[in-house]
Amino acid sequence: DAGITQSPRHKVTETGTPVTLRCHQTENHRYMYWYRQDPGHGLRLIHYSYGVKDTDKGEVSDGYSVSRSKTEDFLLTLESATSSQTSVYFCAITGTKNNSPLHFGNGTRLTVT
Amino acid sequence: DQQVKQNSPSLSVQEGRISILNCDYTNSMFDYFLWYKKYPAEGPTFLISISSIKDKNEDGRFTVFLNKSAKHLSLHIVPSQPGDSAVYFCAASHGWRTGANNLFFGTGTRLTVIP
Repeated sequence: DAGITQSPRHKVTETGTPVTLRCHQTENHRYMYWYRQDPGHGLRLIHYSYGVKDTDKGEVSDGYSVSRSKTEDFLLTLESATSSQTSVYFCAITGTKNNSPLHFGNGTRLTVT
Repeated sequence: DQQVKQNSPSLSVQEGRISILNCDYTNSMFDYFLWYKKYPAEGPTFLISISSIKDKNEDGRFTVFLNKSAKHLSLHIVPSQPGDSAVYFCAASHGWRTGANNLFFGTGTRLTVIP
């Protein structure tokens, strides 16, 4: 198993509150990703990082920001949570070999009420 | 706009029989395809991949077939086992490499293998 830990595993929050999800890896990999999984949409890329302080937007980045101050940590922040952000969030890393597939963490289930 | 489609949300198969999961894509530039398996409360795990230079790739009980002209790939599981019960996602990319951000996922198919 790739050493990826997501926290918290579950969170319920109210509309309008800020939320931060954490992804911690022990593999010292350069590339990290945040995806969300929703019924009827599969997994969609929110943001990704290609190094410390180097991040870029994915397909569904509106309403989300990220930060990567250390190689091992990639934070996803919802500045003001909305009900449409109720989802399961997955962090992923890629291996070091070319064409390495994504390895995912176990996810955070976020409910915005 | 879904570029990778899995039109069957669910599939039930008897233990020991073959499971065939299908995936269609619309972007003819896609040249690398992957299958992931996901159990409840866990993240997706990589299962098998295929490059567009091949039309078949096999790994134990799992075989992926690629039909480029039809823009279609399928995952065959033979024989199916109860532990194979999971959601299967196909994914596709153009020029996938470590660090790329252009992997597109299908919506998933829930496979149930009946003992």
